[in-house]
Amino acid sequence: DTEVTQTPKHLVMGMTNKKSLKCEQHMGHRAMYWYKQKAKKPPELMFVYSYEKLSINESVPSRFSPECPNSSLLNLHLHALQPEDSALYLCASSQEPEVGYRPQHFGDGTRLSIL
Amino acid sequence: SQELEQSPQSLIVQEGKNLTINCTSSKTLYGLYWYKQKYGEGLIFLMMLQKGGEEKSHEKITAKLDEKKQQSSLHITASQPSHAGIYLCGAVNAGGTSYGKLTFGQGTILTVHP
Repeated sequence: DTEVTQTPKHLVMGMTNKKSLKCEQHMGHRAMYWYKQKAKKPPELMFVYSYEKLSINESVPSRFSPECPNSSLLNLHLHALQPEDSALYLCASSQEPEVGYRPQHFGDGTRLSIL
Repeated sequence: SQELEQSPQSLIVQEGKNLTINCTSSKTLYGLYWYKQKYGEGLIFLMMLQKGGEEKSHEKITAKLDEKKQQSSLHITASQPSHAGIYLCGAVNAGGTSYGKLTFGQGTILTVHP
C-alpha cells in the first residue's frame, strides 16, 4: 500500500466546474509535488512545495491552483479546465530537500476526465 | 535540461527469462531512480543510484550505474508475470537542485507471458 494517499481516485467534471484534488502523506516529508501524466507518456512535473512554500511552478496554466495547508497535505484546485487537461494527476513527497537527492514516493493518482 | 532515453520501448518475454532495460542520459547523472508503474496507477520506487559503478539489488531486480554516470541498466532475473508493467528511469538535473526535480525517460513496457 502506498504511503501517499490521493483522493478521489476518479473525477469527472465539466469545463465550468470547480473541484479539488487532495494528497496526504504522514512520512514527515517536507517536499511535495504534483505531476500530470498523459496516456503512454511519463509524468511531467507541475508544482513543487518545499516546507509548505511553492518553490517550483513549471509554467502551469492558472486554471490549476496548488495549495499546501500544512506539511502533510497538498491540494490542487481546478477551475475552468479544458478537455486536454484530462490525465492522471500524481502526487509525490520526499524528505527534506536540503538533505540531497531523495527518492520521491508517489500516490496512486487521480484519474481526471473533463467533459 | 536532462534528457533520458530508454531502450527498448517495449519488451515481451517468456516467464523465467532474464531481461535488461537501459537508460542513457545526455548529461552526467547525479541521481538516477528506477520506478515501476502499473497502467493507470502510481509509481513504485525501486532503487536509487548515485555513485559511478554503484550496483543495487532487490529480490530479482538489479540496477547499475556505469562509471561515467551517463547510463544505467535494470536487469531482471527469472522474470515472473508480477514483473510486468512500465519501468521508468528518472534523473535529477545536473547541477542538482536539492529538491530533486525529476525528469523521466519515456518508459519501457514489459510483458511477461506465463
